[in-house]
Amino acid sequence: GAVVSQHPSWVICKSGTSVKIECRSLDFQATTMFWYRQFPKQSLMLMATSNEGSKATYEQGVEKDKFLINHASLTLSTLTVTSAHPEDSSFYICSASHPGQFYQPQHFGDGTRLSIL
Amino acid sequence: KNQVEQSPQSLIILEGKNCTLQCNYTVSPFSNLRWYKQDTGRGPVSLTIMTFSENTKSNGRYTATLDADTKQSSLHITASQLSDSASYICVVSALITGANNLFFGTGTRLTVIP
Repeated sequence: GAVVSQHPSWVICKSGTSVKIECRSLDFQATTMFWYRQFPKQSLMLMATSNEGSKATYEQGVEKDKFLINHASLTLSTLTVTSAHPEDSSFYICSASHPGQFYQPQHFGDGTRLSIL
Repeated sequence: KNQVEQSPQSLIILEGKNCTLQCNYTVSPFSNLRWYKQDTGRGPVSLTIMTFSENTKSNGRYTATLDADTKQSSLHITASQLSDSASYICVVSALITGANNLFFGTGTRLTVIP
């Protein structure tokens, strides 16, 4: 079945560092990918919709200059957390829909746990 | 307002027992409802997807039901196993244009103990 790969799975870095997270659709082309943030014991919260070849659409309250999204190809979207601070520590998950599948079930990556010291 | 509510928030059961998780939604217009299993530190994995006309769908020991009239769904787990310990998330899709049409429940955290 369709697989979405996310890398890295775990990052620990100092405050002020910028961190890039990659999301790849391994066996299908995804014109749209989604980035979520999940705090402990809470559900996923949509941060932004990544559109191949165009600007990402950010949800209300999400700083576009803080969370840079690039979707330069049909199989890769990246999320860069710029000048990360401890409050940015969270579990970040991406997802993509297989365009050929009816009702387009979301396929999720395994997430990236970001810890800012 | 489009919302998805799940209950209970958490549940502890003995291995081998059955359990049922609930999902109520107010999402409109309704497109489909999905149940996902999320292991700790992992991304969600799809268990079932149901459309308006489907009342029940099974995936192994998981059986989901949908009542589109009352806007309720349930996920029944039969003969639970230790590996069933996870969060179970109900996601409802609205039939609207644009990409942001998924509404997530807060999940039920299931713990299966030996």
